[in-house]
Amino acid sequence: DSGVTQTPKHLITATGQRVTLRCSPRSGDLSVYWYQQSLDQGLQFLIQYYNGEERAKGNILERFSAQQFPDLHSELNLSSLELGDSALYFCASSAAGQGGSYEQYFGPGTRLTVT
Amino acid sequence: AQTVTQSQPEMSVQEAETVTLSCTYDTSESNYYLFWYKQPPSRQMILVIRQEAYKQQNATENRFSVNFQKAAKSFSLKISDSQLGDTAMYFCAFILGQGGSEKLVFGKGTKLTVNP
Repeated sequence: DSGVTQTPKHLITATGQRVTLRCSPRSGDLSVYWYQQSLDQGLQFLIQYYNGEERAKGNILERFSAQQFPDLHSELNLSSLELGDSALYFCASSAAGQGGSYEQYFGPGTRLTVT
Repeated sequence: AQTVTQSQPEMSVQEAETVTLSCTYDTSESNYYLFWYKQPPSRQMILVIRQEAYKQQNATENRFSVNFQKAAKSFSLKISDSQLGDTAMYFCAFILGQGGSEKLVFGKGTKLTVNP
């Protein structure tokens, strides 16, 4: 158990819909990262938050957005869903920037299926 | 751009034997960290081992060890006494250190099968 939790585990929805994925980092970690794992693109970094502020952006579509709340949990919002958005979405957390190490610990992921 | 290459899409090994997974990376930075992650059929991403680029000594975690060749930008993973539970996808990844982007850059993975 990495200490990172993600809900829900599975999500099935239709094209055009909007969903919210939730993540709680390990206790004490201020950094949260979102990654997308699809068959054709592999593991891709989407976005990072540090203590409530956006720190880095990767290949995140404009239809996607995220935020980190004062209690440090984070949400990834996916809207106007397309079939190609079907993937496994991971959240990870680390103590980087806090004098801690840079390794990232991953949650169990949310499997999104868009039909 | 930073890239990670895993040249072996699939490998297999007999139980109790040793196997080495290859990884090369490309970066112009000098301060970075390297990792191997394991993804078993459950799809959970599990950190196996890490290596700081400034450390010359190769990291070891029980049956897992790395061969880090900084000049060659090579970071291979050796699994000794392979067990059935080692069957998984293995991803090599790196992250830039302080002052750089903290995103993990992953290779495409090596699928390892341990045969009884």
